[in-house]
Amino acid sequence: TQLLEQSPQFLSIQEGENLTVYCNSSSVFSSLQWYRQEPGEGPVLLVTVVTGGEVKKLKRLTFQFGDARKDSSLHITAAQTGDTGLYLCAPETTSYDKVIFGPGTSLSVIP
Amino acid sequence: SQTIHQWPATLVQPVGSPLSLECTVEGTSNPNLYWYRQAAGRGLQLLFYSVGIGQISSEVPQNLSASRPQDRQFILSSKKLLLSDSGFYLCAWSQGSGANVLTFGAGSRLTVL
Repeated sequence: TQLLEQSPQFLSIQEGENLTVYCNSSSVFSSLQWYRQEPGEGPVLLVTVVTGGEVKKLKRLTFQFGDARKDSSLHITAAQTGDTGLYLCAPETTSYDKVIFGPGTSLSVIP
Repeated sequence: SQTIHQWPATLVQPVGSPLSLECTVEGTSNPNLYWYRQAAGRGLQLLFYSVGIGQISSEVPQNLSASRPQDRQFILSSKKLLLSDSGFYLCAWSQGSGANVLTFGAGSRLTVL
């Protein structure tokens, strides 16, 4: 059974600050998705990373997939209140029909 | 374009009562379908998933069950609700091939009293 961890569990920062959240496992993944969930809504896909060492940018968000494809990070530059939400990672494994999510990082950006 | 509908949005039920949450997908065929439950401020717990009509995989033994009577319909049920069944229930679908990207419904908030 793979163990999927996300850190930190909670993060509260001031608007304009930078932050990084992490998704880690002991397993190798063929790809990994990052989602953001706003309160009372369903998660929405942000990005899929596929290649080890891959870096993808989505405006102020930078996603990186580890070289060994066991971990990933999400860096947010100059956070805004609209970035508030629960950030979830979901790796694709050999059981690709079964989609398991990490426990999430709850981000609160304070104006 | 594909859309996913989930209802009811909010439900308050007494302990011991039955439950039925319904999810339908439009604009695609033979999707993978998923039910997740989320406690307040926590991550998503996979309850059931289905790769085709009548094919249900259960991830967590409990008093819930799922059915897929039609290709694009996924139903979550219980005969007798427990207090611990309270939570935010999310239905999702994916194409099931390649990168397994999920699209979620708006969720159903269940409170068991």
